[in-house]
Amino acid sequence: QKEVEQDPGPLSVPEGAIVSLNCTYSNSAFQYFMWYRQYSRKGPELLMYTYSSGNKEDGRFTAQVDKSSKYISLFIRDSQPSDSATYLCAMSEGDMRFGAGTRLTVKP
Amino acid sequence: NAGVTQTPKFQVLKTGQSMTLQCAQDMNHNSMYWYRQDPGMGLRLIYYSASEGTTDKGEVPNGYNVSRLNKREFSLRLESAAPSQTSVYFCASRAYGTENNQPQHFGDGTRLSIL
Repeated sequence: QKEVEQDPGPLSVPEGAIVSLNCTYSNSAFQYFMWYRQYSRKGPELLMYTYSSGNKEDGRFTAQVDKSSKYISLFIRDSQPSDSATYLCAMSEGDMRFGAGTRLTVKP
Repeated sequence: NAGVTQTPKFQVLKTGQSMTLQCAQDMNHNSMYWYRQDPGMGLRLIYYSASEGTTDKGEVPNGYNVSRLNKREFSLRLESAAPSQTSVYFCASRAYGTENNQPQHFGDGTRLSIL
């Protein structure tokens, strides 16, 4: 079993939809949780960074962490074609571990 | 506003050739990392340097060597390239925080094909 599991998709939604992206993990020591966005032929770009359980909101993006269930989510409201990318979850207790990424396409 | 810069962006090698991938960061970060990214496998850590003067193996170090030239620069060397090393290579850097859990910042990658 991988330490971090992420559904690779692909996920295709119409413009304006609410998108939910998820990761599960097995290491209860993880305290820091991140979401990266990766456009085609580019490097991962940090999108959200949270500590422990709870919610964090930044514009159209909301990150949720549920440590009791070892489950993290990223919600994108009013999705736009420019949100089309691969989204990587990552988590850390010193060393970082990454999910394999979910490819998202938002269709106009 | 350069952040993490990787060179070259693309390279094609023949089996057995050697090559050095370069990485430089201008954020005064202490730690630097080299990853490879393959379809369906996500980012896998090859080597890292927690601070200037130190290097350590990651998850997949075989066939690679690294040099932390100074605080800004961290290079990855393939001594004898093999087709299995065809991949996209990313360099990342991270500031040192009180609990060493600052997020990593990535370059745009080097796409390497080995024939």
